Amino acid sequence: DTEVTQTPKHLVMGMTNKKSLKCEQHMGHRAMYWYKQKAKKPPELMFVYSYEKLSINESVPSRFSPECPNSSLLNLHLHALQPEDSALYLCASRRSGTGELFFGEGSRLTVL
Amino acid sequence: GNSVTQMEGPVTLSEEAFLTINCTYTATGYPSLFWYVQYPGEGLQLLLKATKADDKGSNKGFEATYRKETTSFHLEKGSVQVSDSAVYFCALTPGANDYKLSFGAGTTVTVRA
Repeated sequence: DTEVTQTPKHLVMGMTNKKSLKCEQHMGHRAMYWYKQKAKKPPELMFVYSYEKLSINESVPSRFSPECPNSSLLNLHLHALQPEDSALYLCASRRSGTGELFFGEGSRLTVL
Repeated sequence: GNSVTQMEGPVTLSEEAFLTINCTYTATGYPSLFWYVQYPGEGLQLLLKATKADDKGSNKGFEATYRKETTSFHLEKGSVQVSDSAVYFCALTPGANDYKLSFGAGTTVTVRA
């Protein structure tokens, strides 16, 4: 099973809402990632968790709050977002020793 | 620092044509190199990879060779299909245990029937 599953696939929220994006993998990978991707652009790294600890935060605004409850799950909590935060949010996990990332299909977020 | 430069396109070609997407990189040491593909409305999928000089990665008719002397990892396919229409990203990681993946800008490829 080489899948990373993300939910929801689409999310529309207002600027005062609180919502969460979820990501799950069962490949035994111990590093998990959140990326943000705008149309026609490469993914931009947001956060990396390694062994359930936050190891990289690319200066992401605090309105994005990651959480790694266990080695298979990764959440991204969203609060007080801005319209410019509308994007495709991609989760990925990394196979140890190869640098190879496995991506989910993404959650398309629209902030009104 | 580490960076990847790839031709941005867009590239439009006919079915059965030859495809080349150029990718060059800047990195210290011995990076691992990747091509990812993103089909419309989907996430990224690993297309192929190479972890050391002169390695050739191949998958689905696509090939790329890790050339350290020219710091390049050009993607080629001899005969494209409409289903190859996608965005292609060249990427590198400085080492197999490094967490950061640096992406190129992406090349949009459209194949016409």
